[in-house]
Amino acid sequence: AQSVAQPEDQVNVAEGNPLTVKCTYSVSGNPYLFWYVQYPNRGLQFLLKYITGDNLVKGSYGFEAEFNKSQTSFHLKKPSALVSDSALYFCAVRVLYSSASKIIFGSGTRLSIRP
Amino acid sequence: EAQVTQNPRYLITVTGKKLTVTCSQNMNHEYMSWYRQDPGLGLRQIYYSMNVEVTDKGDVPEGYKVSRKEKRNFPLILESPSPNQTSLYFCASSLSFSGANVLTFGAGSRLTVL
Repeated sequence: AQSVAQPEDQVNVAEGNPLTVKCTYSVSGNPYLFWYVQYPNRGLQFLLKYITGDNLVKGSYGFEAEFNKSQTSFHLKKPSALVSDSALYFCAVRVLYSSASKIIFGSGTRLSIRP
Repeated sequence: EAQVTQNPRYLITVTGKKLTVTCSQNMNHEYMSWYRQDPGLGLRQIYYSMNVEVTDKGDVPEGYKVSRKEKRNFPLILESPSPNQTSLYFCASSLSFSGANVLTFGAGSRLTVL
């Protein structure tokens, strides 16, 4: 079955430290991978995506993600966390069929940055 | 401003009382989709539409209906709501269903069914 897994419900990091939010996927074919962020009482906002090419993708607000095909992972990273990064983060994969497209979301990881 | 607009943002209703959650986008997007968000389950797709008059079921379509008569609008209809449909609902759209197009989300509609 095609799926996306975010193994950590919550990640706690001190401000200024590096952060990693993990994501692994299991899909057939070549996936397009995304990270979205949800702030309280808001809809999801796009952070970054991987289509092809360089395995390190840079996105909004200083975030980046590393695509690893052999480990089927797409972990979200930031070198120095800010309190304002505290939010709910979703990994997603878009799978293309011949005449349709399906987007699968992970269960989400709550990132908490302490001052 | 390019956006997806959902209404109502908050709604409390009773079992069996039909309701419609509207969704409208101003970006001329072909693809639109409805999701529900429940704790620990992430976002699950209810229905999606690849273009006008083309709709299809997502992962959790039971108890819901949709229509796509115009490109900009994609209402979600609950004919006979039940308590297990209490959830946070999101409408989203993207330029098309192919490629790596990014989804633009509405602000969400929190529905409580008593």
